[in-house]
Amino acid sequence: GAVVSQHPSRVICKSGTSVKIECRSLDFQATTMFWYRQFPKQSLMLMATSNEGSKATYEQGVEKDKFLINHASLTLSTLTVTSAHPEDSSFYICSAAGGGNTEAFFGQGTRLTVV
Amino acid sequence: TQLLEQSPQFLSIQEGENLTVYCNSSSVFSSLQWYRQEPGEGPVLLVTVVTGGEVKKLKRLTFQFGDARKDSSLHITAAQPGDTGLYLCAGDKSNTGKLIFGQGTTLQVKP
Repeated sequence: GAVVSQHPSRVICKSGTSVKIECRSLDFQATTMFWYRQFPKQSLMLMATSNEGSKATYEQGVEKDKFLINHASLTLSTLTVTSAHPEDSSFYICSAAGGGNTEAFFGQGTRLTVV
Repeated sequence: TQLLEQSPQFLSIQEGENLTVYCNSSSVFSSLQWYRQEPGEGPVLLVTVVTGGEVKKLKRLTFQFGDARKDSSLHITAAQPGDTGLYLCAGDKSNTGKLIFGQGTTLQVKP
């Protein structure tokens, strides 16, 4: 399968600061990337769909001004958590689809802890 | 409203027992995936089913897609402690890679 790399794998930030998470497709061009959030002992919840060169589509209840998504190239999407609060602490996972393949491939996830 | 209902959510069994996990929906999916996820890692794809009635086998794991493509099951035969983990079903309605996940099943297999 295709390789999707997510960075960083873990990050701790202070409350009120912003943190950026990168999702890269290493061996294919990802026309679409998806961002999910997963709380402990729960399943993945889709936050937003990111299409290269256009604005992201956010799921209901997800604040677009707080979770900024940029998909400026076919291999990179970024999620920036702005003015982070402890309740934003979670496991954030991206997936990428494209290159003629409708199957999405997942990154390793980023554990965000806001203190 | 949960679009994809996965059950059971927790399962603790003895080594050697069989088990079945179910995913049900009122929606039709173009494909359905099953994943296994270890703590602190992203989900790893086990199988994708796309045809109604399809059955796929992966060693001791058997996956079935319902005839109407609304439900799926995962059956594990003779479970082993190494099968312990979180199992997730996920459906793709639009064939775009956008997935709707079930609640997950935390499986514990005791030696």
